[in-house]
Amino acid sequence: GAVVSQHPSRVICKSGTSVKIECRSLDFQATTMFWYRQFPKQSLMLMATSNEGSKATYEQGVEKDKFLINHASLTLSTLTVTSAHPEDSSFYICSASSSGQPQHFGDGTRLSIL
Amino acid sequence: SQKIEQNSEALNIQEGKTATLTCNYTNYSPAYLQWYRQDPGRGPVFLLLIRENEKEKRKERLKVTFDTTLKQSLFHITASQPADSATYLCALDGTGGSYIPTFGRGTSLIVHP
Repeated sequence: GAVVSQHPSRVICKSGTSVKIECRSLDFQATTMFWYRQFPKQSLMLMATSNEGSKATYEQGVEKDKFLINHASLTLSTLTVTSAHPEDSSFYICSASSSGQPQHFGDGTRLSIL
Repeated sequence: SQKIEQNSEALNIQEGKTATLTCNYTNYSPAYLQWYRQDPGRGPVFLLLIRENEKEKRKERLKVTFDTTLKQSLFHITASQPADSATYLCALDGTGGSYIPTFGRGTSLIVHP
């Protein structure tokens, strides 16, 4: 089946650090990649949608300058949390989809900002 | 606005029994509905997709029903096993033909040996 690799799986860093998370589709070409944030016992909250070669579309309330998304190829998207603060601590999950197909998720990145 | 409701309380059942999880939605008419499984600290895993013109779909021990009149989907796991213990999320497709699904909060299933 379709495999999406996300890393790192866990990041612990100091406040003010920028953190980059990578999402790769390993065995298929993803026309679209999605970035979600999930708090404990809460639903997945979509942050942004990105299509290869174009700018990401951010959901309302998500700061595009804070969460930089790059979708450089059909198999790779990155999310950079710039100048991270403790309130940015969360579980970040990416997913990838090719046209008309269900999303396939990465295993998430647990981000902890001290 | 559209709303998806899944039981927030965990469902506890004995091994071998059938687990039934519910997903209700309001203010919405989805073209399809999806079910995912999520284990702690992991990303969701796609299980089944059912379209609005389908009443029921099966995959091995899993069965999903979709009642567009009641605005409800039921997710059944027959002959449940402790390994089925996880959180199960339902997701509806986006409005206006968008392919971006909206997820429910999920229901935790605990199967006791």
